[in-house]
Amino acid sequence: DIQMTQSPSSLSASVGDRVTITCRASQSIANYVNWSQQKPGKAPNLLIYDASSLQSGVPSRFSGSGSGTDFTLTISSLQPEDFATYYCQQTYSAPLTFGGGTKVEIK
Amino acid sequence: QVQLVQSGAEVKKPGASVKVSCKASGYNFTKYYMHWVRQAPGQGLEWMGIIKPSDGNTNSAEKFEGRFTMTRDTSTSAVYMELNSLISEDTAVYYCARDRAILPQTDWGTFDIWGQGTMVTVSS
Repeated sequence: DIQMTQSPSSLSASVGDRVTITCRASQSIANYVNWSQQKPGKAPNLLIYDASSLQSGVPSRFSGSGSGTDFTLTISSLQPEDFATYYCQQTYSAPLTFGGGTKVEIK
Repeated sequence: QVQLVQSGAEVKKPGASVKVSCKASGYNFTKYYMHWVRQAPGQGLEWMGIIKPSDGNTNSAEKFEGRFTMTRDTSTSAVYMELNSLISEDTAVYYCARDRAILPQTDWGTFDIWGQGTMVTVSS
C-alpha cells in the first residue's frame, strides 16, 4: 500500500496568513493526489484533484502543486471559514490511501 | 441537485452485521462509480471499496475482504454496504462518496460528492 505522510499534523495561523501543508508519498505517484477539507461533524469536501486542478466552486485562494512524491496545498490568504482539517489522498493505485490530516486552528 | 442520502445511525453488538444504504439523486446513477469510506472517532479517513453501479462489479481493500459486501439497486438508485463480524474497532462514521469519473472512464479514485455519513457503534 502507498503511505501518505502529511505535515504538519496541526498548525495555528491567523486570518490573512499564507498556509502551506505538505504530503509525501512512499513511492512516486505522478500527479495522482487530491486534497480535501473536512469540518467537524461534516463529510469531507474536495478542493484539488490531480495535484493542481481546482474543483468547481472552490475559491481560488486554494492551490495545489507537486508531482512524484512531494505535494503541497497552499491557502494564499486564510479566511475564517478555512479553519478545518485537510487531507491528502492518492489515487495512483488501490487501496486508495489518505494522509493523517492537518488541523488548521486559529492563532 | 446531486445528493447522496444515507440511512440512519446504528448500534450493534460485537459479532453482528450492519447494512448501510446510500440513495443517489440528481444524476444518472449508472454513470458514476461509488465508494465507501469510513472514519473512526477522532481519526482519519479509510477507503473501504468501490462499486460500479452499471454492472455491480466491486473492488475492496484487502483489509475488509471476506466480511465486507457492496451491492446496488439500479431501480432505486441506491448502493449498500454490509459489514459482518463487527468488532469494536469498526465503530466509525461510514460515508458513501461518488467518484467524479464518468463511465466508461476507468481512472477512478476522486470523490466529488459525499453522503452525510452514518454512525455505526459497536458495543456490548
